Amino acid sequence: GENVEQHPSTLSVQEGDSAVIKCTYSDSASNYFPWYKQELGKGPQLIIDIRSNVGEKKDQRIAVTLNKTAKHFSLHITETQPEDSAVYFCAASSPGGGYNKLIFGAGTRLAVHP
Amino acid sequence: EPEVTQTPSHQVTQMGQEVILRCVPISNHLYFYWYRQILGQKVEFLVSFYNNEISEKSEIFDDQFSVERPDGSNFTLKIRSTKLEDSAMYFCASSARQGAGEQYFGPGTRLTVT
Repeated sequence: GENVEQHPSTLSVQEGDSAVIKCTYSDSASNYFPWYKQELGKGPQLIIDIRSNVGEKKDQRIAVTLNKTAKHFSLHITETQPEDSAVYFCAASSPGGGYNKLIFGAGTRLAVHP
Repeated sequence: EPEVTQTPSHQVTQMGQEVILRCVPISNHLYFYWYRQILGQKVEFLVSFYNNEISEKSEIFDDQFSVERPDGSNFTLKIRSTKLEDSAMYFCASSARQGAGEQYFGPGTRLTVT
C-alpha cells in the first residue's frame, strides 16, 4: 500500500531563518498532498495543500513544491517565527474508491528559537 | 469559522468495556473519517463514511469497531470491547467534496484503556 516517508524528524532553526521539510511517497497514483500543523493538545490543522497538476503553491510565508517524477514534495517556511513551532505532517492521498483516505508521514517537530 | 468538534476530550475506560466517541462534522460536509494516533506515532486512517455507508476501512478497523451517523449532525465511533492497544488519540475529520478534497480535523479524543 501507499507509504509516506518524512524527513527530518526534528528541525531546529533561529527566528527569521527558513525551514524545509521533505516527504516522499510510494504510490504514483497519488494526486493530493496536504500539509498539517499540529500544536500540543490540538488536532491537525490544514495549512496548505497541492494537487498533482501543479508544481508549486505559495501562501504568504509557506510554500509547497511537488516533483511527480521523483515522487517527493516539500514544505518551505520562510521568515520563521516562534509561533511556527509545532509538529508538521505531510500526507498523500490516492484516488482509489474516490473517498481519499490520507496516508501520513511520521511528522517533523519544528522548533523556532527567538 | 466552522470547525469539527469532538467529545469527550479524554475518555478513560477499563479493558473490555465499550466506548463511543462522538464527532460533529462541519455542517455542509458529506464525507467523514476517523483516524487515530498512538502516542509518538503516525496518524493512521481507520475508516471513511459517506451516504450512511462505510466506503473504506483499514486493517485496524476490525469487528470491534463500528461507525454510525445516528442523526443529521453526529458521527460516532464505537469500540465494542476495548483493548490496551486501543489507547490513542482518535481524530474525526470531514470533507465537503469527493476526490482530492480538503479534510478538516477535530481536536481529538484521548482514549486511555486501563
